[in-house]
Amino acid sequence: DAMVIQNPRYQVTQFGKPVTLSCSQTLNHNVMYWYQQKSSQAPKLLFHYYDKDFNNEADTPDNFQSRRPNTSFCFLDIRSPGLGDAAMYLCATSSMGRNQPQHFGDGTRLSIL
Amino acid sequence: RKEVEQDPGPFNVPEGATVAFNCTYSNSASQSFFWYRQDCRKEPKLLMSVYSSGNEDGRFTAQLNRASQYISLLIRDSKLSDSATYYCGSGNTGKLIFGQGTTLQVKP
Repeated sequence: DAMVIQNPRYQVTQFGKPVTLSCSQTLNHNVMYWYQQKSSQAPKLLFHYYDKDFNNEADTPDNFQSRRPNTSFCFLDIRSPGLGDAAMYLCATSSMGRNQPQHFGDGTRLSIL
Repeated sequence: RKEVEQDPGPFNVPEGATVAFNCTYSNSASQSFFWYRQDCRKEPKLLMSVYSSGNEDGRFTAQLNRASQYISLLIRDSKLSDSATYYCGSGNTGKLIFGQGTTLQVKP
């Protein structure tokens, strides 16, 4: 049973048209993460939440925003997608504390036309 | 310098070979270490956590050297199904930074 669920699996949007990717979890983890992964590259952390506390990576473009309305859900908003934003977007969750691994969703593959 | 560095490979090995991956991290405050495996067009999946005393899970052995700030993964008796990209991860209070990944191709 999937515990970190991302929707949709594939998303196509137009250049400059806002898009939202969603993530939900049944693990009741208090930390949620968004990663961007481009072809043949490692996942790159965009931001993460400790409960409602939002933490942005210094090099995450302003074009990327996130919302976490409750423990179970987290959204990634891309305000004006550019061609360079085409990638796999991975959501992950973990408990807080030492040696708590992250559990990933299947990812959403975003294409920009 | 990247915070977590790995040799990207690729490593091409025959079935049954033993292969070792190394990874270095620069943040001495890192407290958590993991190896993840990612198959093509799939999400990363936890392979194993890495503990200070070293740990083993079947054919896989992970080691941590805090003094030198590196972690390693040893795969014995490689199987075709071990072909994947392996990422080391170093973290502190939940935030995890991945290395570049090491690609392993096991050939018959």
